[in-house]
Amino acid sequence: DIQMTQSPSSLSASVEDRVTITCRASQGISSWLAWYQQKPGKAPKLLIYGASSLQSGVPSRFSGSGSGTDFTLTISSLQPEDFATYYCQQAATFPLTFGGGTKVEIK
Amino acid sequence: EVQLVESGGGLVQPGGALRLSCVASGFTFNNYAMSWVRQAPGRGLEWVSSISGSGGSAYYADSVRDRLTISRDNSKNTLYLQMNSLRAEDTAVYYCAKDLRPGTTGWFDPWGQGTLVTVSS
Repeated sequence: DIQMTQSPSSLSASVEDRVTITCRASQGISSWLAWYQQKPGKAPKLLIYGASSLQSGVPSRFSGSGSGTDFTLTISSLQPEDFATYYCQQAATFPLTFGGGTKVEIK
Repeated sequence: EVQLVESGGGLVQPGGALRLSCVASGFTFNNYAMSWVRQAPGRGLEWVSSISGSGGSAYYADSVRDRLTISRDNSKNTLYLQMNSLRAEDTAVYYCAKDLRPGTTGWFDPWGQGTLVTVSS
């Protein structure tokens, strides 16, 4: 199985900060990576697929990059509604696997 | 508008059974793979199972194989998860999710609101 390792597991940031979350796959997955945002008590929401494609309706301050084993989610200017937990997920092969999550909290 | 509405969760004793349903609307159901993803209380996301649009192919996490069975009724636009021999570690919110694109991509969008399954005596 492909293991997905996210870092950090949590971070504190201020509004308008630039935030970067990383995700590493235990083996190469090309660009078969997605990022999701989850707020407390809510279902996850797809932000990025194909490592760097922005899902329709998602603000352009979110961006994704990387291929192979190393990936990054960047929020260029953190907004109050962005405080949430973020997960990466590989879709290269079954079983599909998620990273452990990164909780973005208010500083 | 795409909508996914899960139902069937509840409290069940260890060793018991439950069937979850997910009714879909707003898209051509049989064109898309569908999946179940779960989240134990206070924990991260865990993929459980996926099924192709035709229902001809199904995939499972090792932790649920031989106990949980995914299926779909394309005439009813409904996805199912039959859960047998339930264990305490199956306690979680179960989400159904649609594949982003026709076929099978493994990217989930959107997700349903989730249904809580609690396995306890």
